[in-house]
This record gives sequence, structure tokens and C-alpha cells, in this order.
Amino acid sequence: EVQLVESGGGLIQPGGSLRLSCAASGFTVSSSYMSWVRQAPGKGLEWVSLIYSGGSTYYADSVKGRFAISRDNSKNTLFLQMNSLRADDTAVYYCARMEQQLGFGMDVWGQGTTVTVSS
Amino acid sequence: SYELTQPPSVSVSPGQTARITCSGDALPKKYAYWYQQKSGQAPVLVIYEDSERPSGIPERFSGSRSGTMATLTISGAQVEDEADYYCYSTDNSGNQRVFGGGTKLTVL
Repeated sequence: EVQLVESGGGLIQPGGSLRLSCAASGFTVSSSYMSWVRQAPGKGLEWVSLIYSGGSTYYADSVKGRFAISRDNSKNTLFLQMNSLRADDTAVYYCARMEQQLGFGMDVWGQGTTVTVSS
Repeated sequence: SYELTQPPSVSVSPGQTARITCSGDALPKKYAYWYQQKSGQAPVLVIYEDSERPSGIPERFSGSRSGTMATLTISGAQVEDEADYYCYSTDNSGNQRVFGGGTKLTVL
């Protein structure tokens, strides 16, 4: 079964760091395009970052320079390193697979992990 | 930064046709995608590359694009189609992805 499971969320003080993980099963992360998407409480979806199968990475302006997307091929896991966290980073964070056969639409999503930035 | 604009809400009666629009300056050259999100759940891809439907998505869901506007059409909307719908696309560089603000569809 194709599945994504996020972990690593929690309560963190402003200025702190957190690393989110997204464990994949049923497909290979390193052969796929992968994205992180977040949703602040009561708000809409916001694209955060993506990594191509070749390793190129891209970020939303709101997180550029603070967040870093990466993957561990041996663990078939995607990561999001979040530094210099701010209150407006509070959100549910989803990882998603971007399927080539669906025009790189995001066809598999995790259940989300909650990040709360507060003192 | 690039933006996609959607109406905040659309309301129809069961069996009617619901149309949700999405406007963006790059849409003449970039595909639109549509996601459905029900309360407390992860999003689901319902349309990709403007008008293609993934397997398992009901035929009543269709998409189109003309100029700077993309449209999601739900023909014969059902109560179970009540959800938030988000369009998604890229900017002209192709590297910045963006979601529209979302449209709450009410079917009652």
C-alpha cells in the first residue's frame, strides 16, 4: 500500500528549530517529486517546498532561508528542517507525493503533523 | 509573489451544477489542478492538467481552462461533495507552486 506518515511536530518556542519526517511506503521517495504543504488553523493550503527526483529544491518565499527540504534514500524518508520558527509557521504540515503520471499532481498525502510555535 | 484567486464560497442545491473559478496571470501557460478537502481530512486530487480526472474520481467532476481562468465544474452536485476546493498551479518560472485561497462549497 502506498502511504506517507509524518512525524516530528510539536510545541516549539519562537526562534526554535524542528525537523519533520515523512516516512514513505509502497514507493521510492528518491525516484519521486515530493512536496510539503501546510495549513494554518482555519486557513487554506499553502505550498511550502518541493524536491525533485534529481535533488533540486524549491521554497515558498515565506520560508526561504529558514526551511530546508531533504531526503534519506536509505530510510525512504523525506524531511523538513525548520529553523527560526515564527508564530505564523503554526500549522498542520503535510507531505505529499507528486505523481508524474498525473502531471505531478499530489496524489498521496500523509495525515499531517501539527506544529505550534508559541511561547 | 504569484497568486491564484478563488471566490470564498459557492452554494448550490443537490442536483444542480456547481462552478468554482480560479484566476491567475500564468494560467494561459500553466496547468491548473484542483483539490478537494473535507473537514479534518487531507486533500484529495480531483482534477489534474486542467481537465484530467484521476481514477476513482466521479465523472461529475470536470475541469476546464480558458485564458487566465480555470474552472472546476461539479455536474449534479451531491451532499457528499460539500468541501473546500483549492486550485493549484505554478508561476511562470515553473518552480514556485501556489494554491488558491480556497472555495467552500455548500450543497443544501
